[in-house]
Amino acid sequence: DAGVIQSPRHEVTEMGQEVTLRCKPISGHNSLFWYRQTMMRGLELLIYFNNNVPIDDSGMPEDRFSAKMPNASFSTLKIQPSEPRDSAVYFCASRPGRMVSGNTIYFGEGSWLTVV
Amino acid sequence: AQTVTQSQPEMSVQEAETVTLSCTYDTSESDYYLFWYKQPPSRQMILVIRQEAYKQQNATENRFSVNFQKAAKSFSLKISDSQLGDAAMYFCAYRSGRSGGGADGLTFGKGTHLIIQP
Repeated sequence: DAGVIQSPRHEVTEMGQEVTLRCKPISGHNSLFWYRQTMMRGLELLIYFNNNVPIDDSGMPEDRFSAKMPNASFSTLKIQPSEPRDSAVYFCASRPGRMVSGNTIYFGEGSWLTVV
Repeated sequence: AQTVTQSQPEMSVQEAETVTLSCTYDTSESDYYLFWYKQPPSRQMILVIRQEAYKQQNATENRFSVNFQKAAKSFSLKISDSQLGDAAMYFCAYRSGRSGGGADGLTFGKGTHLIIQP
């Protein structure tokens, strides 16, 4: 089975530009998570969805960040406008139903964003 | 809020030796899950091992095992017969057994950088 698929793997963009990160969760998983990893703050949960519905977005740093999940197989994380401090690795992760697989969360390979 | 602490920023071990990575956590919950994830230079997060808090038996996956001390809120990872491919960042993570609200995500420690000496 394919794992969590993220794109792009790497992106370099100029400050002020819009950035869209994409994620395809594992088929059949009903929870999807967006995490951000930086040297200073480590791994932070930004937002997660259950059955395509945003449940907790308290980790989204600013209004410049938005996330959508229009269907069970696709999600986006958008930053508009981007700033240099947004440079980080952004991970998408998914999880099957709560009683399946011991609640394990499976991660994508990450999108490495650099804002210059 | 739950917190996860990894007190060893970096550990070094000789190839074929055994190493133990420490993790402590703080929670008022009785139902939860604990995980160790490995992050090699490729940056991918790979699940190493997981433990359900209600299970007294320590989880084991081949060369990887945990020492879960619920009363002490300690969850250490032991890697036996260390191999060069084990070199990576290792993250300890906590997940609540509750559902809803902010309970469904993982809370991570800061990580331990494991170096394998050939």
